[in-house]
Amino acid sequence: GQNIDQPTEMTATEGAIVQINCTYQTSGFNGLFWYQQHAGEAPTFLSYNVLDGLEEKGRFSSFLSRSKGYSYLLLKELQMKDSASYLCAVKGRYSGAGSYQLTFGKGTKLSVIP
Amino acid sequence: GAGVSQTPSNKVTEKGKYVELRCDPISGHTALYWYRQSLGQGPEFLIYFQGTGAADDSGLPNDRFFAVRPEGSVSTLKIQRTERGDSAVYLCASSLKLTGELFFGEGSRLTVL
Repeated sequence: GQNIDQPTEMTATEGAIVQINCTYQTSGFNGLFWYQQHAGEAPTFLSYNVLDGLEEKGRFSSFLSRSKGYSYLLLKELQMKDSASYLCAVKGRYSGAGSYQLTFGKGTKLSVIP
Repeated sequence: GAGVSQTPSNKVTEKGKYVELRCDPISGHTALYWYRQSLGQGPEFLIYFQGTGAADDSGLPNDRFFAVRPEGSVSTLKIQRTERGDSAVYLCASSLKLTGELFFGEGSRLTVL
């Protein structure tokens, strides 16, 4: 089975740093995505980790530990526009015919306050 | 087009009716996915197409749900005998390659009364 856990909600202050954690237990692992989703909009890609370690991209960084089944998304210098849901998604086992199972967590709703 | 296009953006129907939702992926993307997202939940996988064929339909909840992609581009998700529990946002995504990121459309919000 697939199990992905993220905190439901978080609140942080503009200009601060916030870390959103994701733990997973999946049948097979072939990478982990983070997506951002503003209310009423489509999810947009933020980052992809397949090897252990930290991937940095501007204000956003994502970390992966495969042995611990753990990832986090780090957002620095928070801005009001960062208020959104952040979705952790695990690419699981190969399901055949060119497809990997991609399972999403329920998302973490981040509110950035002044 | 520049992005994944989905129509209609909103659909209100009555219980028992038939519904079609359309997805036009990014040009050149051979992989196409349908997901369903309920309020406060993450997207839930429904079906995946590689080209014209449904490579993985393991996420379709029951036989009332069906999807086609006859020419390997536009896809239609079809829901028969709709039920109130089918109310959700139906997201379509496309991808250029097997390991690539998914590009999502804005979704079709279905409300079954």
